[in-house]
Amino acid sequence: KAGVTQTPRYLIKTRGQQVTLSCSPISGHRSVSWYQQTPGQGLQFLFEYFSETQRNKGNFPGRFSGRQFSNSRSEMNVSTLELGDSALYLCASSLDRPTYEQYFGPGTRLTVT
Amino acid sequence: DQQVKQNSPSLSVQEGRISILNCDYTNSMFDYFLWYKKYPAEGPTFLISISSIKDKNEDGRFTVFLNKSAKHLSLHIVPSQPGDSAVYFCAASASGANNLFFGTGTRLTVIP
Repeated sequence: KAGVTQTPRYLIKTRGQQVTLSCSPISGHRSVSWYQQTPGQGLQFLFEYFSETQRNKGNFPGRFSGRQFSNSRSEMNVSTLELGDSALYLCASSLDRPTYEQYFGPGTRLTVT
Repeated sequence: DQQVKQNSPSLSVQEGRISILNCDYTNSMFDYFLWYKKYPAEGPTFLISISSIKDKNEDGRFTVFLNKSAKHLSLHIVPSQPGDSAVYFCAASASGANNLFFGTGTRLTVIP
């Protein structure tokens, strides 16, 4: 069974631009969660989608948004990029509730210059 | 507000010895705890979990201990192997919630 895939793996953007990251969950998984990982902050929860609906949202500004498609693939978008948005963005999928075992993708490394 | 804390950013252990990684939490509603291991350039991978109805869970060389009164859990790896060198994250969740709260991670280095 294929794992969670994320594209692109690396991205360099300029302040003020916007970016879209993509995540394809494991086949059959309907829950997709997004996390931001920065040094010293661990994994910070962004949001979680289930059956195309956002079920939960972390404490991030409105510049961070996401969506999920009918095939469970998910995208997250960051508008008006700031230097502090430089981070590893991780996507994780699970069958139903993500509070149990989640399977993570390799992440997208975003650098904002 | 960090609800899950890993106060040791790094730990070095000799091969064959025991590695003990610690994690503290503040939210008394948390009832399920997990450990993840992360290698560079890879996403975290699930290692072991424990429910709050237990105080110990074992899987091969890995054992997780939960002390609910102290709001503390620990991961024991014995014997430690060089391939265990990675960053370890603990995570916690509450019943009915739809997200995990992660700690900041502990980088374990096992010295051959």
